[in-house]
Amino acid sequence: KQEVTQIPAALSVPEGENLVLNCSFTDSAIYNLQWFRQDPGKGLTSLLLIQSSQREQTSGRLNASLDKSSGRSTLYIAASQPGDSATYLCAVNNQGGKLIFGQGTELSVKP
Amino acid sequence: DAGVIQSPRHEVTEMGQEVTLRCKPISGHNSLFWYRQTMMRGLELLIYFNNNVPIDDSGMPEDRFSAKMPNASFSTLKIQPSEPRDSAVYFCASSPPRDEETQYFGPGTRLLVL
Repeated sequence: KQEVTQIPAALSVPEGENLVLNCSFTDSAIYNLQWFRQDPGKGLTSLLLIQSSQREQTSGRLNASLDKSSGRSTLYIAASQPGDSATYLCAVNNQGGKLIFGQGTELSVKP
Repeated sequence: DAGVIQSPRHEVTEMGQEVTLRCKPISGHNSLFWYRQTMMRGLELLIYFNNNVPIDDSGMPEDRFSAKMPNASFSTLKIQPSEPRDSAVYFCASSPPRDEETQYFGPGTRLLVL
């Protein structure tokens, strides 16, 4: 059974810092992995999707990497801003549309 | 595009009552997903439909939960009878044809069962 773990559960940083969020999964037979953002009281927004054959994806200040063999992914946020404050969730796709989510990392960026 | 629409946004009910949550997917999307989010268990997939047909309902917790998709533009998730442990945020998501992993989430329904 696929299990997804995110570390840390919460993170607080000053504005401008670069930071890394971690995600690990137990079954390496995945189709792809996604990082989502969730704002309080809102739904989820997909940030980056990495296919199993890819090593990384970039979008603006965000960079996600994938090491399938070791069951790990990282989300790197450069030059963090207060607007980046949200919960970030990692999800793996083992089969079709069935996403398995981690518990999330709650990020707070202080001005 | 209005995105995925869910109603109601908030629901407070008493234990034993029937609860019906509603979802309108994005027009043209043919897959629809129901998720439940709690502090203890995080975000879990309950059921998903493709072309109005349930594909995987292994996440539905028990017989008190049922979901239907009578047409491409509407789905319901029903809990009968409701229990306090059903309190959670319920999300609906939809995805376009041949791209099931690209899911667009609604704002969620926050359910509190007293």
